[in-house]
Amino acid sequence: EDQVTQSPEALRLQEGESSSLNCSYTVSGLRGLFWYRQDPGKGPEFLFTLYSAGEEKEKERLKATLTKKESFLHITAPKPEDSATYLCAVVRYNQGGKLIFGQGTELSVKP
Amino acid sequence: DAGITQSPRYKITETGRQVTLMCHQTWSHSYMFWYRQDLGHGLRLIYYSAAADITDKGEVPDGYVVSRSKTENFPLTLESATRSQTSVYFCASSRQGGTEAFFGQGTRLTVV
Repeated sequence: EDQVTQSPEALRLQEGESSSLNCSYTVSGLRGLFWYRQDPGKGPEFLFTLYSAGEEKEKERLKATLTKKESFLHITAPKPEDSATYLCAVVRYNQGGKLIFGQGTELSVKP
Repeated sequence: DAGITQSPRYKITETGRQVTLMCHQTWSHSYMFWYRQDLGHGLRLIYYSAAADITDKGEVPDGYVVSRSKTENFPLTLESATRSQTSVYFCASSRQGGTEAFFGQGTRLTVV
């Protein structure tokens, strides 16, 4: 069965304290892995797409990496405005683009 | 404005009533999706559509009906609402299967 597991469930950081979020997956025929950010009361906001092991993407303080079994979202010197829930999702080949989501990591960055 | 919009943003309905949630996208994306988000379950796929007049079930389709007569619209209907359908519903679209999906702002539905 396809499974996406994110850890930790919640993470509290001080401003400037770098850390990483993990997304491990068990999927047959992975086509792509996606990272989203979700703020309270809003829809998920697309951040990154990763298609191949070894691939990396960066945007401001965020960097996403992918291996054959997991992905990491590295947050460098976070700011309070980075506080949100970060969601990981995968899509398989020949599955109509259906995203399978993890439960998310709730990140809180204190000043 | 370009993008994906859902309506209404908030809805309260009674058990047994029919409710339709609307979703409209301006990108001419082929794929559209309906998800529900609940505490403890995360985002779960209800139905999706690869093109106009093509729809398929997701993980939790029971009690829901969809249609897609036009590429830009993908309404979700609860035929006879139940309390277990109280949730936040998100519509999404993607250019093609396997590419990033973009989400609407959500509809918070309460069934009393």
